[in-house]
Amino acid sequence: GDSVTQMEGPVTLSEEAFLTINCTYTATGYPSLFWYVQYPGEGLQLLLKATKADDKGSNKGFEATYRKETTSFHLEKGSVQVSDSAVYFCALSDPYAGGTSYGKLTFGQGTILTVHP
Amino acid sequence: IAGITQAPTSQILAAGRRMTLRCTQDMRHNAMYWYRQDLGLGLRLIHYSNTAGTTGKGEVPDGYSVSRANTDDFPLTLASAVPSQTSVYFCASSDSGFTSSGANVLTFGAGSRLTVL
Repeated sequence: GDSVTQMEGPVTLSEEAFLTINCTYTATGYPSLFWYVQYPGEGLQLLLKATKADDKGSNKGFEATYRKETTSFHLEKGSVQVSDSAVYFCALSDPYAGGTSYGKLTFGQGTILTVHP
Repeated sequence: IAGITQAPTSQILAAGRRMTLRCTQDMRHNAMYWYRQDLGLGLRLIHYSNTAGTTGKGEVPDGYSVSRANTDDFPLTLASAVPSQTSVYFCASSDSGFTSSGANVLTFGAGSRLTVL
């Protein structure tokens, strides 16, 4: 079945440091890929997405490129801020998963990011 | 403010009791979902509904039931709560359960934290 694997956390960085959170996936067909972010005490919200190979999703300085050859969708940011402290989830939506077309999202386990001033 | 409202925000419950978590959306989204979030496991789908009047089972449906009498409401019921159901529960919705691109973007509520003793 479909699965998403994220790098182990937590990740602790100083402000303005470079961020990479690794994400790899296994899917039956050609999934869409997502990064969701969860700020403390809140629900998840979409950060960025990519729907086909070589697409780059970007938002709020974060980027991720859909790499079909390595089945990866790593999240990067050049200079993190304290306000980026949150839990980040990689996810996929596979329209061919089990022949059931309900747009099910499969999530990774989440990576806790803490940014210090 | 348009979005998803979940209630209660937090609840402590004795094992064996019945509990209903409420979820209401005002975006007229067709599809709705219930996920549970557990540390180290990410989010796992409990039940979903593609449209009013239909429901389906996700990854971890045992011990839970749902109904979808109308577009806006999607309550989750624990008929007889057990300690393993201690978790944070998120309701989500999307405009369509499946699109041709598979890029199904979910909107999440703020979550309901449930503790079963």
